[in-house]
Amino acid sequence: KNQVEQSPQSLIILEGKNCTLQCNYTVSPFSNLRWYKQDTGRGPVSLTIMTFSENTKSNGRYTATLDADTKQSSLHITASQLSDSASYICVVSHGGGADGLTFGKGTHLIIQP
Amino acid sequence: DTAVSQTPKYLVTQMGNDKSIKCEQNLGHDTMYWYKQDSKKFLKIMFSYNNKELIINETVPNRFSPKSPDKAHLNLHINSLELGDSAVYFCASSQNPTSSGELFFGEGSRLTVL
Repeated sequence: KNQVEQSPQSLIILEGKNCTLQCNYTVSPFSNLRWYKQDTGRGPVSLTIMTFSENTKSNGRYTATLDADTKQSSLHITASQLSDSASYICVVSHGGGADGLTFGKGTHLIIQP
Repeated sequence: DTAVSQTPKYLVTQMGNDKSIKCEQNLGHDTMYWYKQDSKKFLKIMFSYNNKELIINETVPNRFSPKSPDKAHLNLHINSLELGDSAVYFCASSQNPTSSGELFFGEGSRLTVL
């Protein structure tokens, strides 16, 4: 069964600090892995998409890594800002039809001043 | 301009009523979707619609029906609302109909059934 597990479930850090969110998956076959940011009361917004051959991808202060061998990904946030407070959702695609996405439950990140 | 817009943002209604949520995208995408996000925050696909082809998640009750008047719109109709239908519903679109395409989500419509 295709699954995406994220940890931690929630995280509180001080503004300016770095943090790393984890994503483990058992989706097969693998097409790509995405990280989305979902602000409270808003829709998810894409941060990165990585295919099998990509080990790391950055989007500003966000850096995602992918280890396709161990089926793990991480999202590293550098110099956190209050606006980073959101849920971060890991999504893995098996490249099938429109229903070929497996969503994680997300990590709820709170940045405190 | 908002890429994917849905209305209403909030909807409170009684059990047994029929309601609709509208969605429009101005990205020129070929495929649109409806997702349900429950209280546990899982996003689950309900429908995808591409070139008049409707793909339905078999777990979705037939009280839910998507209607697409044109390529830019995919509305969600819900009949005989039940308490368990309370959730946030997201519309999304993508250029690529397969799961390799980037998804653009709307802001969500929070449905509360009393």
